[in-house]
Amino acid sequence: SQLAEENSWALSVHEGESVTVNCSYKTSITALQWYRQKSGKGPAQLILIRSNEREKRNGRLRATLDTSSQSSSLSITATRCEDTAVYFCATDAGGTNTGKLTFGDGTVLTVKP
Amino acid sequence: DAGVTQTPRHEVAEKGQTIILKCEPVSGHNDLFWYRQTKIQGLELLSYFRSKSLMEDGGAFKDRFKAEMLNSSFSTLKIQPTEPKDSAVYLCASSRTGKDTQYFGPGTRLLVL
Repeated sequence: SQLAEENSWALSVHEGESVTVNCSYKTSITALQWYRQKSGKGPAQLILIRSNEREKRNGRLRATLDTSSQSSSLSITATRCEDTAVYFCATDAGGTNTGKLTFGDGTVLTVKP
Repeated sequence: DAGVTQTPRHEVAEKGQTIILKCEPVSGHNDLFWYRQTKIQGLELLSYFRSKSLMEDGGAFKDRFKAEMLNSSFSTLKIQPTEPKDSAVYLCASSRTGKDTQYFGPGTRLLVL
C-alpha cells in the first residue's frame, strides 16, 4: 500500500489559472516534501514543510499541511507552460533518523497555452 | 557546486548482460539513494547509503541488483544478469543527512532487449 499518495492522477489547466494538487499519507512524519519532475530530468524539490508548520510559500507555490487529517496540498498560482511536469509528495519516517523518503505516484500536470 | 551526475544517460543491454550504472553525489552529502522509476511502479527505492554504509537494500531487488559505495564521491549500481523487466529509469539522489532535501541526478534510461 502507498504510504504517500497524490489524489489525482492528472490535471490540466490553461496558462494563468491556479491549480491544486492534493496528497494524503498514512504514517507520522517529521516533514513532507513536494517535488517536481520535468520530462527527461530527475525530480527537484519545491517545498519542504515540517510537521509543526501549517503553510509554506515559495514564489507562486504554496504548500499546506494538516497533520490531523494526514494531508497536504500544493497550490500553484498564475500557472505557466513550464509548470507542466509530474508533481510528487514525499514523506519521511517520523520518529526515526532515516533519510529515506516514500514518494507518491505523482500527479501529471499539463498547462496549456 | 556540481549537482548529482549519472553516467551513462542511456544504456541498451541484451538480456543476460551485466551493466554498471555510475553516480557521483553532491560533494559533502552523506546520504545516497538509488531508485528505479517506471510508469507502473513509480519511484522504488533500491539502495540507501549513509556515510558509505549500506542502510537499506530494497528487498525485492536483492538478488540481481547490487549497489556499492567505495568512497564518498562515487557509487555504482550493478544489475546482473539483466532481464527485460529491468527496463526503467534509474535515478541516483543524495542529501546532506537525515531528512534533508534529496538532490536527484538526471537518471539513466535502461532498455533491456
